[in-house]
Amino acid sequence: RKEVEQDPGPFNVPEGATVAFNCTYSNSASQSFFWYRQDCRKEPKLLMSVYSSGNEDGRFTAQLNRASQYISLLIRDSKLSDSATYLCAVNKRPGAGSYQLTFGKGTKLSVIP
Amino acid sequence: DAGVIQSPRHEVTEMGQEVTLRCKPISGHNSLFWYRQTMMRGLELLIYFNNNVPIDDSGMPEDRFSAKMPNASFSTLKIQPSEPRDSAVYFCASTIKETQYFGPGTRLLVL
Repeated sequence: RKEVEQDPGPFNVPEGATVAFNCTYSNSASQSFFWYRQDCRKEPKLLMSVYSSGNEDGRFTAQLNRASQYISLLIRDSKLSDSATYLCAVNKRPGAGSYQLTFGKGTKLSVIP
Repeated sequence: DAGVIQSPRHEVTEMGQEVTLRCKPISGHNSLFWYRQTMMRGLELLIYFNNNVPIDDSGMPEDRFSAKMPNASFSTLKIQPSEPRDSAVYFCASTIKETQYFGPGTRLLVL
């Protein structure tokens, strides 16, 4: 099993739709999880951290399911500007005081007018 | 703050040539990461520095790759000799805690 796996997509959704992505991870000891957004030909940028209790920021909700070892990102009321690739990231060496992250290959989202 | 600065932004070179990529992390950040991104392999960690000391270079593909961080405000990634399979986008990222801030990347094309 790969360390971090994502469905590459693309997810093509109409404006206003709700879309969800999942990301599975293999290390059950992982403690820190993140969603990054990457626009075409740009660098990844942190979208949100994923806490055990879940995390909501406006139209975006991130959740963690430790039992099944996946994190999710839910986008409500999709906007054209949400079109991007969404990368999940997991702490590579939990408990070692390291900030190394392992990134998934990303899920591409296209929001269609 | 200007964010993470990388140079050059684009590099086209011929196979066998030496390539040097440069990175200036955000002031005050004590960890620096070099990544390589390709369509096939995604974002791969090459090497990681903490307080200017290389901590994990297990991602460096082979001896042709080397990285240095002589001080807290500068790091280089060198490829010598370069090969066509090295063509990718190389990102530098810095962090003070777990949030990684990426530079704009260097697009490298080796012909």
